[in-house]
Amino acid sequence: NAGVMQNPRHLVRRRGQEARLRCSPMKGHSHVYWYRQLPEEGLKFMVYLQKENIIDESGMPKERFSAEFPKEGPSILRIQQVVRGDSAAYFCASSPQQGHSSTGNTIYFGEGSWLTVV
Amino acid sequence: GESVGLHLPTLSVQEGDNSIINCAYSNSASDYFIWYKQESGKGPQFIIDIRSNMDKRQGQRVTVLLNKTVKHLSLQIAATQPGDSAVYFCAVFLYNQGGKLIFGQGTELSVKP
Repeated sequence: NAGVMQNPRHLVRRRGQEARLRCSPMKGHSHVYWYRQLPEEGLKFMVYLQKENIIDESGMPKERFSAEFPKEGPSILRIQQVVRGDSAAYFCASSPQQGHSSTGNTIYFGEGSWLTVV
Repeated sequence: GESVGLHLPTLSVQEGDNSIINCAYSNSASDYFIWYKQESGKGPQFIIDIRSNMDKRQGQRVTVLLNKTVKHLSLQIAATQPGDSAVYFCAVFLYNQGGKLIFGQGTELSVKP
């Protein structure tokens, strides 16, 4: 069973360009979470999505950032007009339902996408 | 809301010793807790979890203890090995806030051979 798959693993963008990060959840998982991690810091919640629905976007910056999880295909985190402060590791996680501690029904993370804005 | 804090940002132990990493949380309504291990350049790796109806749970070489009275969580690693060197995060799941994990800042564990 493949884990959470993220691509690209590394992405370099010039200021003002757009960045698109993709996340394919684990098989059978319909809940996706995006987190951002700055160097030497913990993970900060950005957004929680189910198929075709945004459940909680309280951690998303109000401008330039958007996320979707379509009925078919991966979840996409989109950052428009990137700035140097957007440089970070972006992690996606998934769970089969709201994470709880039944065996296997917890929240698993991908290996991340490292965005560098130059 | 919820805030999660680890007591020590770094911890250095001798190979073979036991390690204890501590974490405190603020919201008494929090009822699901997860420990993750993160190695450099990688994503958080699930280690062990515990629900609030338990006070102890054991895995392979790891034990999580939960003290709801003082809102404190700890991760114990037995016979620490060099491969255990990483940053460890505790995370609290908030069902009553739409369902999301709140992470602490992390403790960096270094294992001396």
